[in-house]
Amino acid sequence: QIVLTQSPSASASLGASVKLTCTLSSGHSSYAIAWHQQQPEKGPRFLMKLNSDGSHNRGDGIPDRFSGSSSGTERYLIISSLQSEDEADYYCQTWATGIHVVFGGGTKLTVL
Amino acid sequence: EVQLVESGGGLVQPGRSLRLSCTASGFTFDDYAMHWVRQAPGKGLEWVSAISWNSAGIGYADSVKGRFTISRDNAKNTLYLQMNSLRTEDTAFYFCARDIEDDFPNYFDSWGQGTLVTVSS
Repeated sequence: QIVLTQSPSASASLGASVKLTCTLSSGHSSYAIAWHQQQPEKGPRFLMKLNSDGSHNRGDGIPDRFSGSSSGTERYLIISSLQSEDEADYYCQTWATGIHVVFGGGTKLTVL
Repeated sequence: EVQLVESGGGLVQPGRSLRLSCTASGFTFDDYAMHWVRQAPGKGLEWVSAISWNSAGIGYADSVKGRFTISRDNAKNTLYLQMNSLRTEDTAFYFCARDIEDDFPNYFDSWGQGTLVTVSS
């Protein structure tokens, strides 16, 4: 069974950078994930697919302020030059045949 | 522009049924698998169900298996979720999402805005 673990909350100042973490359960270090952003009162938006080697593919229209990296079972979303509209919930997602789709619990990012 | 628009939500009593629809536009609908994902108010995302491009592959979360049925009509560019024997714990926003491939599971690259289902007496 795959479990994705995210910290419930994070905060950073306007214009600064922040690194959000999604941790895959033990034994799943080869799995890719996807990051999704959900602004208040909106549907989620796909940000990027992040591979185990740290390579990533951003969704259409996603600025390069959003990047990703990987280390072992940890998958990171790095947001630089934070803007007020980046205040949102961020979810990681993975997938596997038979297990289908799994989401992390989400991280609520506050921009100070 | 890819657009997914959900409809059919509302207030329903426990034990009753409801059918959700998701109308797609801006892309070739039958090139993609599709998913339903839900979110209880104030909670996180929960995958509900998926269907391959030709309906040959279908999957459900354990929490809805035997009660919900996913289907699609490619001629109408529409995805459906028939929800029977509804429970109070099914109360949530329901989102449709597009898979990146014609079969699942994979990640999602487009989402709808959601429709709210409230199960209450």
